[in-house]
Parts: sequence; C-alpha cells; structure tokens
Amino acid sequence: AQKVTQAQTEISVVEKEDVTLDCVYETRDTTYYLFWYKQPPSGELVFLIRRNSFDEQNEISGRYSWNFQKSTSSFNFTITASQVVDSAVYFCALSEAGGSEKLVFGKGTKLTVNP
Amino acid sequence: DARVTQTPRHKVTEMGQEVTMRCQPILGHNTVFWYRQTMMQGLELLAYFRNRAPLDDSGMPKDRFSAEMPDATLATLKIQPSEPRDSAVYFCASGLVLGGALDEQFFGPGTRLTVL
Repeated sequence: AQKVTQAQTEISVVEKEDVTLDCVYETRDTTYYLFWYKQPPSGELVFLIRRNSFDEQNEISGRYSWNFQKSTSSFNFTITASQVVDSAVYFCALSEAGGSEKLVFGKGTKLTVNP
Repeated sequence: DARVTQTPRHKVTEMGQEVTMRCQPILGHNTVFWYRQTMMQGLELLAYFRNRAPLDDSGMPKDRFSAEMPDATLATLKIQPSEPRDSAVYFCASGLVLGGALDEQFFGPGTRLTVL
C-alpha cells in the first residue's frame, strides 16, 4: 500500500534562512507521481509541483527546489532565502498509476518563518 | 484562470440537519475528489468520481454521507443527518487523469462546516 511520511511536524526558521522539508514515500508501483501542496493560513491548498517516477532530475522554480531520490524514496522540498509569506503547512502526496490514481497525503509540515 | 468553486464557503448548522455542499470542477477535468480535513485526522479522501461515475467511496461513512455528480459541472456531498463530529473543512478537488496517471489536481477553497 502507498504511504507518505513527513516526519517533521513543525519547523521554525528566521527569514532568509534556507529550509528543507522532508518527504519519504512507500509504493510497490514502478510508475507513480509525487506532488507538493502548500496550505497557507487562509486555508486553500495550492498546487506546487508534480513529478513522475521516471524523472529524477531536480527541479528549481525561483526560491523553491525539489530533490527526488528514488534510492532513498524521498522527494524533499527546499525553500531558499525563506520569507514570512512562506509560512504555511506543506503537504507531500503520492499517486500510483494504472487504476488507483487517488492522492495519498502525508500529515504535513507546518513551516513558520519569523521576521 | 480556471478554478474549482465550492459553495457554501462556511456553514453552521445544528445536529440532525441535512447539509449539502457543492463543487464545480474545472472544465475539461475528468475526475472529482472529495476530501475532509480535521486537525486530528489530517486530509482524508472521502470519495472520487471519474467521468461522473463513482470510483471509490470507501472513505465515506455510508450511513449518513452521500456523494453524487448529477452532471459534469456539479458534484455534491450530502450529510444527513449531520453530527458534531462532522465538523471539518471539506475540500473538492478537480483532476485530470490521462493514460492511467493523475496529471494534475487542483483544490477548491473548501467548505468550513460546523455542526452544533
């Protein structure tokens, strides 16, 4: 069965620090998809990224970057030079291909960026 | 800018009353998901539809919850009768599944339900 673990329940940093949010997943499928969502205090869930299991290239989008490593079943998310607006709960999620495409979410990591 | 819409955004009701939540998925998406979020349980998948057909509702209490898609532009989640433990934020998500893969999934703003 698929499972996503976000071991860090809460992280607190000071503005401009870099921070990495960990995500470890379990699946028996060889084809799967990994997602990250952001949930700011306003409550909506914002899509950040989707990555398929065949693409292990790291991705960078502005201050955000993602490190996908199949060898350790991890899909970590790094925010460089964090800002107060990055304060949110971040969710990692996994979807398997071919019949059970629903997303399984981790419990989330609450990030607080202090000024 | 395509978005998922949900109504109502907030609902306060008394125990025993019927509650209906509505969702308009993104045009062109073929999959609709209903989630519930609470502090204790986090995000739970209640049910989902593909091309309006129910695929999985195993996460939903069957005795009081029901989910339907009367047409491609409307998904509904009903609770009858409601109980205080149903208090939560209910999210609808709209997704596109292509070739057996979830290509994208976007969430609506949620309905915050309080059952007194």
